[in-house]
Amino acid sequence: DGGITQSPKYLFRKEGQNVTLSCEQNLNHDAMYWYRQDPGQGLRLIYYSQIVNDFQKGDIAEGYSVSREKKESFPLTVTSAQKNPTAFYLCASTPGSGNTIYFGEGSWLTVV
Amino acid sequence: EDQVTQSPEALRLQEGESSSLNCSYTVSGLRGLFWYRQDPGKGPEFLFTLYSAGEEKEKERLKATLTKKESFLHITAPKPEDSATYLCAVLGHSGTYKYIFGTGTRLKVLA
Repeated sequence: DGGITQSPKYLFRKEGQNVTLSCEQNLNHDAMYWYRQDPGQGLRLIYYSQIVNDFQKGDIAEGYSVSREKKESFPLTVTSAQKNPTAFYLCASTPGSGNTIYFGEGSWLTVV
Repeated sequence: EDQVTQSPEALRLQEGESSSLNCSYTVSGLRGLFWYRQDPGKGPEFLFTLYSAGEEKEKERLKATLTKKESFLHITAPKPEDSATYLCAVLGHSGTYKYIFGTGTRLKVLA
């Protein structure tokens, strides 16, 4: 089935560690996104990528990094510089500009 | 600045009690308005895309409508399985890839 796969579903991180969240899509979509969702807040954009080997910062990029080496993959690294990383992270994709955005099932990150 | 406000924040309905959720938006040139359903601990599930004022779309017990300032998600004769958070998002001409999301309406349908 076509879709967006995020892994792992649950991840625990010790303070000072970097962690990487995986996002893979087989929809042949050009654009991919990472959002953060906190209780009572709308989704906030971390990074997005329109094409391979290119990405742009969103509204809350500090403490995060991404790469886009393949069209189907857009991993997100949460670095130790991110002060409050405990959240629900959503990966999404669109065929291109102005289209419906589709989401993966999300990854929960907890700092312990 | 593009903005989306959803109301109410939470809504409790009896099974069969129809109601509407509101999504008010401010955007410089609407390219699309999107409705999603989100269950706890899961990613948003796409419901509808609306592009221009006057447009309507239906799916089972749900109907989405759009005006120049707001969108409504009408729920007819809801069932307990319709309980979820419903999210609205807009995309304007000012940000090609910048989707603006509301904070959602938490719907609870009681049997």
